[in-house]
Amino acid sequence: AQTVTQSQPEMSVQEAETVTLSCTYDTSESDYYLFWYKQPPSRQMILVIRQEAYKQQNATENRFSVNFQKAAKSFSLKISDSQLGDAAMYFCAYRAVQGGSEKLVFGKGMKLTVNP
Amino acid sequence: NAGVMQNPRHLVRRRGQEARLRCSPMKGHSHVYWYRQLPEEGLKFMVYLQKENIIDESGMPKERFSAEFPKEGPSILRIQQVVRGDSAAYFCASSGTGTSWQYFGPGTRLTVT
Repeated sequence: AQTVTQSQPEMSVQEAETVTLSCTYDTSESDYYLFWYKQPPSRQMILVIRQEAYKQQNATENRFSVNFQKAAKSFSLKISDSQLGDAAMYFCAYRAVQGGSEKLVFGKGMKLTVNP
Repeated sequence: NAGVMQNPRHLVRRRGQEARLRCSPMKGHSHVYWYRQLPEEGLKFMVYLQKENIIDESGMPKERFSAEFPKEGPSILRIQQVVRGDSAAYFCASSGTGTSWQYFGPGTRLTVT
């Protein structure tokens, strides 16, 4: 079964600084998707960024970028120029491509605090 | 273009009662997923449905829980004879055919007293 691990339960960053959130996963599949979701205090789950495993190029969305290391099964999220609104729980998630089930497998999450 | 709608947002039930949670997917989406989030935990997959079909229910408890997504109307997650351990946030997500990502609703927070 696929598993997703976020080993750091909490992190903090100063406003305008850069922070990297780590995620590792375990799978025997060769093709899959990886996602980062953000959950602010409102509890709404917001998609931040996604990566397709067959793509070598790391995904980027404005201030958010990933470092995808397929061989190491690592998928870290870098937030540049951190803003107060970035404070939230961040969840890494995995989705298989094959097999018919499109379920997301989530890590336990990491709480990010942004200090002014 | 409305997002994924869930109601109620908050639901309080006494032990032994039934809870019905509703989810209307985004317009044009035919795939619905239900997840449960216990306090201080990540989301755990429960069930994946398409119109009138359950595709994957590997995360559903064997007893008291059921889900449906009828041809017309919202998807329903039903919990019979609720117990305190069912207290959690229940999220619904939807996706369109051929897309890899899922859009989430705001969740229903169920409290069992």
